[in-house]
Amino acid sequence: DAGVTQSPTHLIKTRGQQVTLRCSPKSGHDTVSWYQQALGQGPQFIFQYYEEEERQRGNFPDRFSGHQFPNYSSELNVNALLLGDSALYLCASSLNGTDTQYFGPGTRLTVL
Amino acid sequence: AQSVTQPDIHITVSEGASLELRCNYSYGATPYLFWYVQSPGQGLQLLLKYFSGDTLVQGIKGFEAEFKRSQSSFNLRKPSVHWSDAAEYFCAVDPHTGRRALTFGSGTRLQVQP
Repeated sequence: DAGVTQSPTHLIKTRGQQVTLRCSPKSGHDTVSWYQQALGQGPQFIFQYYEEEERQRGNFPDRFSGHQFPNYSSELNVNALLLGDSALYLCASSLNGTDTQYFGPGTRLTVL
Repeated sequence: AQSVTQPDIHITVSEGASLELRCNYSYGATPYLFWYVQSPGQGLQLLLKYFSGDTLVQGIKGFEAEFKRSQSSFNLRKPSVHWSDAAEYFCAVDPHTGRRALTFGSGTRLQVQP
């Protein structure tokens, strides 16, 4: 049973560019959440997708957007990258109606 | 304000010694509580969770945690630490208000001495 997978593993971008990160949920899961983990800090909730719609959103600007596909996989898009966007981006999946989220290995984004 | 606090940024224990990592939360009602572990360069692995019922919960890798409502705490324990337990440990809460978003503490880095 494959767990949560994310791609790419690492990514380097420059300020002002745009980036897309991808996530495939654990088999049987239909809900995907995205978190940002800055160096030395705990993860912070960005948003959650269910039934191809954004269901909840944390305190992140509109530069952060997402999408969920019919197969439940998801993308996180960040526009106009800032140096402060450098972080580990974690995807977590769960089954709607349950309360346990399982995390992927993350994508390390470096903005130069 | 709602928050999760892990008072210890860094803890060092000797291999074979016991371990307790502290977590305190501030919410109006009892949230769902979780402990995750993160090894260097890795994602988060769920160690254990508390939703209701027995206040002492068992997890993987020999870890357990005790929920104390009176102290708003959910401390993680292990009787005998192994060198492979060296990692970052995060306490997280889900207020189950429908927001379905985990709030994490800032983490405790565990170092294990031989």
